[in-house]
Amino acid sequence: SQQGEEDPQALSIQEGENATMNCSYKTSINNLQWYRQNSGRGLVHLILIRSNEREKHSGRLRVTLDTSKKSSSLLITASRAADTASYFCATDGNDYKLSFGAGTTVTVRA
Amino acid sequence: KAGVTQTPRYLIKTRGQQVTLSCSPISGHRSVSWYQQTPGQGLQFLFEYFSETQRNKGNFPGRFSGRQFSNSRSEMNVSTLELGDSALYLCASRDGGGGEQYFGPGTRLTVT
Repeated sequence: SQQGEEDPQALSIQEGENATMNCSYKTSINNLQWYRQNSGRGLVHLILIRSNEREKHSGRLRVTLDTSKKSSSLLITASRAADTASYFCATDGNDYKLSFGAGTTVTVRA
Repeated sequence: KAGVTQTPRYLIKTRGQQVTLSCSPISGHRSVSWYQQTPGQGLQFLFEYFSETQRNKGNFPGRFSGRQFSNSRSEMNVSTLELGDSALYLCASRDGGGGEQYFGPGTRLTVT
């Protein structure tokens, strides 16, 4: 079973626009991570936010975490064609595993 | 440092056969995890090893097993393959504490 639910399932935007996707989870966490996957390949780590952090930035990425609502969001600003991929949130508890959401498929149109 | 490597990259097997997949973690990483990815179930955790000890196991039947060697390389084995075992199997490594995991390119297993 999956820990998280992601919303929306799919997103289509124009190049240069921002993309926002949300993740909700069920149990307590140590940290929450976001990964990108291109066309069924391996996952690439994007950003990690710890349970005591509320917001984190990395380049064009902005992640927020609300532990009271058990939710997180990932914002990609000024999107590019190369951002076309599936994005997954993953929660990391005290159990040596990542629990992944179902993912959001992002398509950036030129 | 070289990334996580997985072999083979693609595999076609017949129902009832068994298969062994291999994973070499990033040098210095002692934790190796395995995940199964399918269109229907998404990314599911299989197991995690640290210094040759399994620390956690996902909700998979006993046909799925794994091990880790003293050099941190890991293998997973699936016996008596079923059609539903067709999936992308991903291996990830990290240095042992919490934090980001580094994923390999995966092994695409097709069971016919």
